Amino acid sequence: EPEVTQTPSHQVTQMGQEVILRCVPISNHLYFYWYRQILGQKVEFLVSFYNNEISEKSEIFDDQFSVERPDGSNFTLKIRSTKLEDSAMYFCASRGGTGAQPQHFGDGTRLSIL
Amino acid sequence: AQSVTQPDIHITVSEGASLELRCNYSYGATPYLFWYVQSPGQGLQLLLKYFSGDTLVQGIKGFEAEFKRSQSSFNLRKPSVHWSDAAEYFCGGGGTSYGKLTFGQGTILTVHP
Repeated sequence: EPEVTQTPSHQVTQMGQEVILRCVPISNHLYFYWYRQILGQKVEFLVSFYNNEISEKSEIFDDQFSVERPDGSNFTLKIRSTKLEDSAMYFCASRGGTGAQPQHFGDGTRLSIL
Repeated sequence: AQSVTQPDIHITVSEGASLELRCNYSYGATPYLFWYVQSPGQGLQLLLKYFSGDTLVQGIKGFEAEFKRSQSSFNLRKPSVHWSDAAEYFCGGGGTSYGKLTFGQGTILTVHP
């Protein structure tokens, strides 16, 4: 069964550094999402992406965050200047473009900011 | 505001016992509802979804859920729990089939032998 693939599985970064989290959505999916889960808290929506543009973003997704689909397969989340509170598990999800389709999630990238 | 609530943070059951995990939603219209399961170190795996139609939906691993509009609930059930069902379960909802999901706080399920 097709899967959403995220790399790396764990990223350790110094505060203030830029980090890029990578995702390969399921082939032929058209909707892409990023969520995060701070340890012990609920999964929170960050941003959705469709037709090469952001379709919705949350309050968390401020100017430090950006998303990109640089080619036909990858979907990236960039944090420009990381803060301690960015430490979390980041999940990528994708969804097919037609009908009643659910979102499929990757295994996540654990981001640790030192 | 749209919200999803899971009232139980932690539930413990014995293997072979029945299970019901609660989920309540608050949406203006009928939401799209999902249950996902997360094992330690893993991502969210879809168990089942409700979009419309039959209010009793069947999922993978023997799980089912029932959409009850009058109670604003979408509870997850399983008649006989297996030790491998121990995990964290998340109920999620969306206002559209393609929009963001709002998740509940999650329910950690512990299964005793």
